[in-house]
Amino acid sequence: ETGVTQSPTHLIKTRGQQVTLRCSSQSGHNTVSWYQQALGQGPQFIFQYYREEENGRGNFPPRFSGLQFPNYSSELNVNALELDDSALYLCASSLGLAGGPSEQYFGPGTRLTVT
Amino acid sequence: AQSVTQLDSHVSVSEGTPVLLRCNYSSSYSPSLFWYVQHPNKGLQLLLKYTSAATLVKGINGFEAEFKKSETSFHLTKPSAHMSDAAEYFCVVSEFNAGNMLTFGGGTRLMVKP
Repeated sequence: ETGVTQSPTHLIKTRGQQVTLRCSSQSGHNTVSWYQQALGQGPQFIFQYYREEENGRGNFPPRFSGLQFPNYSSELNVNALELDDSALYLCASSLGLAGGPSEQYFGPGTRLTVT
Repeated sequence: AQSVTQLDSHVSVSEGTPVLLRCNYSSSYSPSLFWYVQHPNKGLQLLLKYTSAATLVKGINGFEAEFKKSETSFHLTKPSAHMSDAAEYFCVVSEFNAGNMLTFGGGTRLMVKP
């Protein structure tokens, strides 16, 4: 069983640029969630994708967008980068079930630095 | 709306002594509760979860947590700390009607002294 993987591991961008982060979900999982973890804080929910459709969104502006592909892998795109976007971006996969919340398995994260 | 408060940002214990990490939650519905651990430069690992079954939940590496609805608490304990337990710990709440969104507390950094 392959765990959640993310790429790249580290990234440095300049303010105003755009960035794409990638996530491969755990085998058999159909739901991907993205979180932003600023230094010294707990992760904050950005959005979730279930079977290729957005299934919930946190308090993040529209310049944060995402995609989920038929193989359930996912991308997080951030446009017009700001200094405050510097953070660890975590992807989590789970098996979405009608019965309620299921365990989410996290990848190692992508460390984004905006200068 | 759901929220989590971790009452201590830092906890320091000696190796071999008990660990107590405190967590209070707020939820409009019957929540699911989790504890995750994050070691430096590593991803989040699930320690244990509560999903309305037994109120005392056992997790990995000797950790356990007790769900107390009357106190809206979900404290994490371990009888004897090990040096490898030093890490950041997050208490997390999730509600089904919130689409499986996880809401994290601010974290507690556990330090273990030899």
